[in-house]
Amino acid sequence: QVQLVQSGSELKKPGASVKVSCKAYGYGLTSYGMNWVRQAPGQGLEWMGWISTNTGNPVYAEGFTGRFVFSLDTAVNTAILEISSLKAEDTAVYYCARKNIVSDAFDIWGQGTMVTVSS
Amino acid sequence: IVLTQSPGTLSLSPGERATLSCRASQSVNNNNFAWCQQRPGQAPRLLIYGTSTRATGVPDRFRGSGSGTDFTLTISRLEPEDFAVYYCQQYGISPVTFGQGTRLEIK
Repeated sequence: QVQLVQSGSELKKPGASVKVSCKAYGYGLTSYGMNWVRQAPGQGLEWMGWISTNTGNPVYAEGFTGRFVFSLDTAVNTAILEISSLKAEDTAVYYCARKNIVSDAFDIWGQGTMVTVSS
Repeated sequence: IVLTQSPGTLSLSPGERATLSCRASQSVNNNNFAWCQQRPGQAPRLLIYGTSTRATGVPDRFRGSGSGTDFTLTISRLEPEDFAVYYCQQYGISPVTFGQGTRLEIK
């Protein structure tokens, strides 16, 4: 069954770093691109960018440069989002979403990872 | 591209027809326009892509239409599981953008 399974919730202090993983099941990670989407509490969806899983090249949306890094661990079929120097406003659910190879649509979504930043 | 959805909240009863609208600030390629559904406490789910193509497993009561700057999602007969938040999305021009969402609630 094709699915994306994300790592569990995280509670971090301001200034810390966090890694969110997104493991692909049922297909090869490098066959499709991977998007990252943020949803702040009670808010809508915000695209953070995407990573080409065959070249490893990331593209970051405005507002997600510097502290946000997309990477891959192809050995375990996993995409990774790392956020450094965490701030309270980074508190959100982070989703990975597969970029369909034909349509470019976000066809498969992970279940989401809640990251809470609080002192 | 800014996507503006209307109405913000739609209150209907099961069995009724729902019409959700999305207007883009500039013309969108029909091939790169989608609708997704988010039920409470769940991840978004792709419903419609390419303006009018239903994603795998999506019932045929969901219909997408439109072109240019005006797009519509129609749900012909509401089922209890359809009450959720719906987002339109364009993914043809970077940055990818989403509408602010329409909440479909039970009347």
